[in-house]
Amino acid sequence: AQKVTQAQTEISVVEKEDVTLDCVYETRDTTYYLFWYKQPPSGELVFLIRRNSFDEQNEISGRYSWNFQKSTSSFNFTITASQVVDSAVYFCALSPDSNYQLIWGAGTKLIIKP
Amino acid sequence: DTGVSQDPRHKITKRGQNVTFRCDPISEHNRLYWYRQTLGQGPEFLTYFQNEAQLEKSRLLSDRFSAERPKGSFSTLEIQRTEQGDSAMYLCASSQSDVTEQFFGPGTRLTVL
Repeated sequence: AQKVTQAQTEISVVEKEDVTLDCVYETRDTTYYLFWYKQPPSGELVFLIRRNSFDEQNEISGRYSWNFQKSTSSFNFTITASQVVDSAVYFCALSPDSNYQLIWGAGTKLIIKP
Repeated sequence: DTGVSQDPRHKITKRGQNVTFRCDPISEHNRLYWYRQTLGQGPEFLTYFQNEAQLEKSRLLSDRFSAERPKGSFSTLEIQRTEQGDSAMYLCASSQSDVTEQFFGPGTRLTVL
């Protein structure tokens, strides 16, 4: 079975704090893709990152970084020095290689307080 | 450069009525996807197209739902005999066939009274 679990329903931090959003996935495929999307209050899903299962290198993009660990089936997302504009719902998703269908977690609502 | 667009953005209808939504993907994208999202949940896959061919349908897509992409460009999603349980945000996304990033439109929020 394919599944994505985001155990943190809601996280609230004060601006400038670092915050990590957890994502744990299940799949039997050897080739798959993992994604993070942001959904701000306006509602439109914004693509953040895609990783394939053969590339375990961590990725950094500005204040965002991602830690992919196949050993624990996790793909965690860290925001450094958070800002109010980072407030949104963040979704982790899995795509099996066979059909590009995205399987989504339930999302983590991130609240950054000024 | 325009992104994925959806029309209408909001639709309120009475139970039993038919509704149709439109999605215009990014112009060079061959794949088009429909998802449904209810409050507090992640999107649920409904169906997808490669060009004009509908390649997969979720079992969530009952026979009251039909989707088309007649010329491989825009797509329509029709819901017949709407039910209150159909109330949700309907999201459309597109991607290039050999690239798996999906880019989403703003969604159509359906409310069935």
